[in-house]
Amino acid sequence: QSVLTQPPSVSGAPGQRVTLSCTGSNSNIGAGYDVHWYQLLPGTAPKLLIYGNNNRPSGVPDRFSGSKSGTSASLAITGLQAEDEADYYCQSYDSSLSSSRVFGGGTKLTVL
Amino acid sequence: EVQLVQSGPEVKQPGESLKISCKGSGYSFTNYRIGWVRQMPGKGLEWMGIIYPGDSDTKYSPSFQGQVTISADKSISTAYLQWSSLKASDTAMYYCARRGRDDYSPLDYWGQGTLVTVSS
Repeated sequence: QSVLTQPPSVSGAPGQRVTLSCTGSNSNIGAGYDVHWYQLLPGTAPKLLIYGNNNRPSGVPDRFSGSKSGTSASLAITGLQAEDEADYYCQSYDSSLSSSRVFGGGTKLTVL
Repeated sequence: EVQLVQSGPEVKQPGESLKISCKGSGYSFTNYRIGWVRQMPGKGLEWMGIIYPGDSDTKYSPSFQGQVTISADKSISTAYLQWSSLKASDTAMYYCARRGRDDYSPLDYWGQGTLVTVSS
């Protein structure tokens, strides 16, 4: 069981907006630690999508955005495209685990 | 261009030893920490530990302390993950990733993964 909780699956039609949630606690997200998001496409190296809660690395489309509030964080994808179908993971740090990095269980995004 | 290139897939028997590698290029290898992440079949990502190639300072996730060894050879810009006695439960995809400059920086570049299969 992951320290950060993500819904196992989310789906949306092309062009729609979807939101992926990441719920933690007062020892991780709620403690003020940054949340990062990664995209895993089959057969390819994982990719950093959002860092520091709401920042996009160079080359990541502005269709992707992140936010954080309290003990939760969210990844929003607008204008959904078929190529967005992938697994998405949130990641933060946990003070109860020697400030070890912790991941969410991942969300499988299906584009209908 | 920053790249992390991992060694190829491995098929091993229980009890065997194994060392997989992760070679960095396109940046100063000694200045960035390299972390390892496990993904068991059908499961999520798990943080294993991290090494600073500049001085080989290593930190392990509590779940992996004593189970694996992380090392690096800065002369060839390569980090390693090794097991002394594999178990079937070590079957997984293993990723290396570069950590940004700061303690809480993201994993900004990842290797393509090494699939380890342990089966008798």
